[in-house]
Amino acid sequence: NAGVTQTPKFQVLKTGQSMTLQCAQDMNHEYMSWYRQDPGMGLRLIHYSVGAGITDQGEVPNGYNVSRSTTEDFPLRLLSAAPSQTSVYFCASSYSLLSGSGTDTQYFGPGTRLTVL
Amino acid sequence: SQKIEQNSEALNIQEGKTATLTCNYTNYSPAYLQWYRQDPGRGPVFLLLIRENEKEKRKERLKVTFDTTLKQSLFHITASQPADSATYLCALDYNTDKLIFGTGTRLQVFP
Repeated sequence: NAGVTQTPKFQVLKTGQSMTLQCAQDMNHEYMSWYRQDPGMGLRLIHYSVGAGITDQGEVPNGYNVSRSTTEDFPLRLLSAAPSQTSVYFCASSYSLLSGSGTDTQYFGPGTRLTVL
Repeated sequence: SQKIEQNSEALNIQEGKTATLTCNYTNYSPAYLQWYRQDPGRGPVFLLLIRENEKEKRKERLKVTFDTTLKQSLFHITASQPADSATYLCALDYNTDKLIFGTGTRLQVFP
């Protein structure tokens, strides 16, 4: 298994440009999520999905869109990039993350380092 | 809102000693608490999970404790090695479909 894969590894954008960060997992996990990691801020949840066709907002969703058309893929779209979105982005997946059932192990991808000029 | 505190200062210890990292939280206790390891330029890797009704969990040289009275979890690495040098993150689960991560503590083990 490849686990959780993310592309690209690095990206430089200009303010106002749009792009999609790709995330895929081959473990048949229902739960997938996107985090951003900034110095001194820790990992902050952007969006998450508990299954295909279901997405919800996390702590910092503004400026980002997601969709989940398949179990395997969970792309993150930046609609109009801003310098405040300069960060390292991590995608994660787990077998389940359902209220009342407990948290399963989160498997993280290698990250995408994004710079917005 | 819930707040998690991990020591932002790096912990420097000598090889062979026990490293102890702290994760404090405010308000109510989570249902589960997890610890992750993160190496520079890489994604976090899961280490241990402890439930609210568990006091202690062990895995090889790792030990996690969970004190709901103190609102604190301690993460111990015994017989530490330079290869244990990394940033360690705690994460709290309140059965809300969301994990809340701390900012992490960097551990440096010197030979």
